[in-house]
Amino acid sequence: TQLLEQSPQFLSIQEGENLTVYCNSSSVFSSLQWYRQEPGEGPVLLVTVVTGGEVKKLKRLTFQFGDARKDSSLHITAAQTGDTGLYLCAGENTDKLIFGTGTRLQVFP
Amino acid sequence: NAGVMQNPRHLVRRRGQEARLRCSPMKGHSHVYWYRQLPEEGLKFMVYLQKENIIDESGMPKERFSAEFPKEGPSILRIQQVVRGDSAAYFCASSKRDQPQHFGDGTRLSIL
Repeated sequence: TQLLEQSPQFLSIQEGENLTVYCNSSSVFSSLQWYRQEPGEGPVLLVTVVTGGEVKKLKRLTFQFGDARKDSSLHITAAQTGDTGLYLCAGENTDKLIFGTGTRLQVFP
Repeated sequence: NAGVMQNPRHLVRRRGQEARLRCSPMKGHSHVYWYRQLPEEGLKFMVYLQKENIIDESGMPKERFSAEFPKEGPSILRIQQVVRGDSAAYFCASSKRDQPQHFGDGTRLSIL
């Protein structure tokens, strides 16, 4: 069974701080997506990474795919209260997504 | 462009009744996926369909659950004889071939 472990599970920080969320697996994925989910809503796609070692930037968010395509990280610079939410990584395996355990981020003003 | 549309957003059923969840994919998307999110758990894959075909149903419970994506109309996830353990949020996603999946806002199913 493929598993994606995310750490930390919960994170509470002050506005302006930096943070990193990790997504680790023993399996190789053809691609990896990061989603953000708000309460009562569906996951919203943030980014897709495909190539080992790939780095993608989305404003204050930086996503990295591990060289072996087994792990990924999400780094947020100068967090804002609007970044609060549940962050999910998801590895693609023959068209279906295997979701990580999630990181619940709370940013306080 | 309209996103993935799911309805109803909330559905309440008594034990033993049937639940029908509908999903209209984004325009131009021919691939549909269903996922289930149990309380305090992550999203788990259930089934992957293309028009009139079930491609992968490895995540579907063996009994009471079925899914279809007809040539015309939305995809339907059907749960017969619902039990308390079926209470969950059910999410549908759609995509074009080899493109990322986009999710709807889910149907929250509650079993009394």
